[in-house]
Amino acid sequence: GAVVSQHPSWVICKSGTSVKIECRSLDFQATTMFWYRQFPKQSLMLMATSNEGSKATYEQGVEKDKFLINHASLTLSTLTVTSAHPEDSSFYICSAGPTGNIQYFGAGTRLSVL
Amino acid sequence: RKEVEQDPGPFNVPEGATVAFNCTYSNSASQSFFWYRQDCRKEPKLLMSVYSSGNEDGRFTAQLNRASQYISLLIRDSKLSDSATYLCVVNSRPQHGSGYALNFGKGTSLLVTP
Repeated sequence: GAVVSQHPSWVICKSGTSVKIECRSLDFQATTMFWYRQFPKQSLMLMATSNEGSKATYEQGVEKDKFLINHASLTLSTLTVTSAHPEDSSFYICSAGPTGNIQYFGAGTRLSVL
Repeated sequence: RKEVEQDPGPFNVPEGATVAFNCTYSNSASQSFFWYRQDCRKEPKLLMSVYSSGNEDGRFTAQLNRASQYISLLIRDSKLSDSATYLCVVNSRPQHGSGYALNFGKGTSLLVTP
């Protein structure tokens, strides 16, 4: 099946620092990628839709200035958590799909902000 | 009302048992339906798509009732390796985005015991 690579898998950082997460589609091009967040014992929640060559669209309640998304190529989207705080600690996952219907997920990034 | 709702679980069943999960969705315009499996601290992985005619993949059978907006998953002859969280997933238009993104139920936890 299609492969989506996400990096890093685990980040521990101090409060106030910025963290960049990369999501790559390895064997297909993706004009759209999705970023989700999952808190413990909760379901995945869509944060934003990353659109190649244009601005990302954010779900209600997600601060666009805090979660910067860049989708500069057809195979790479990045999510930067700016000035991270402990409440941003979560499991961040990206997804993409060759047809946009079935989605494949990256392995996720576990962010711990101290 | 949450867009996708599932049995809360957890389901504890002995090896060899048959277990059924249910799911309802609220958006009648939803296009595609899936069951994903998520192991602890891992990303979701596609288990199977769900079609109106019903579909089977080995020990797994999925059904969709569009009129009732209801989806089910049946697992026969449960194995220890089936222990995981099963996510009901509906492909709908994001609230503020373009294209489609996945909406997840909270998941139903299954534990198969020897």
